[in-house]
Amino acid sequence: AQKITQTQPGMFVQEKEAVTLDCTYDTSDPSYGLFWYKQPSSGEMIFLIYQGSYDQQNATEGRYSLNFQKARKSANLVISASQLGDSAMYFCAMREGAGAGSYQLTFGKGTKLSVIP
Amino acid sequence: DSGVTQTPKHLITATGQRVTLRCSPRSGDLSVYWYQQSLDQGLQFLIQYYNGEERAKGNILERFSAQQFPDLHSELNLSSLELGDSALYFCASSRTLGGLNTEAFFGQGTRLTVV
Repeated sequence: AQKITQTQPGMFVQEKEAVTLDCTYDTSDPSYGLFWYKQPSSGEMIFLIYQGSYDQQNATEGRYSLNFQKARKSANLVISASQLGDSAMYFCAMREGAGAGSYQLTFGKGTKLSVIP
Repeated sequence: DSGVTQTPKHLITATGQRVTLRCSPRSGDLSVYWYQQSLDQGLQFLIQYYNGEERAKGNILERFSAQQFPDLHSELNLSSLELGDSALYFCASSRTLGGLNTEAFFGQGTRLTVV
């Protein structure tokens, strides 16, 4: 089974509008961390935001916020006031508790966001 | 700029050949991860080193090997290359072994094309 599922291969959003990118995850570990990365066409991976499984509040970083719904196992990324520079691939990723012996990030397939002027 | 340096940026080689990809982590980072990004498989974790020792292994083929040197730079060796090995190879580094909230900083990647 997929550990990270991003169901939207591609999304369009009008400049200055908000957009939500979906991410659901699957783990039986009570301790885990969720990450979002941005990959522009130039190829580099840019860290955006982090949410821990025990965090009570949704994470926010500037125009990025994470809508964390633990019971539904979803960690959607919300980008407010979209800009042309937000056009990129967006990846959701998970790191499970160290007790599982896993230190690496498991990534979803990504969502390609295109911002329309 | 993440502070993680990968060389070369692009590499074109023939099937059956062997290549070495190099990664210099951010200053002070002890942990290095290697990932492969291909169109069909997405981003896959290959291997992790921490302070010179292998710590975790993912979907790494036997034809691939890696090491981390005393100065903490790492090399990923790919041998007997096949067309399917064409991909973007990322190196990432983090300060510690990898707590839950440890951010991994990615390099710009090495784009390998096998012809």
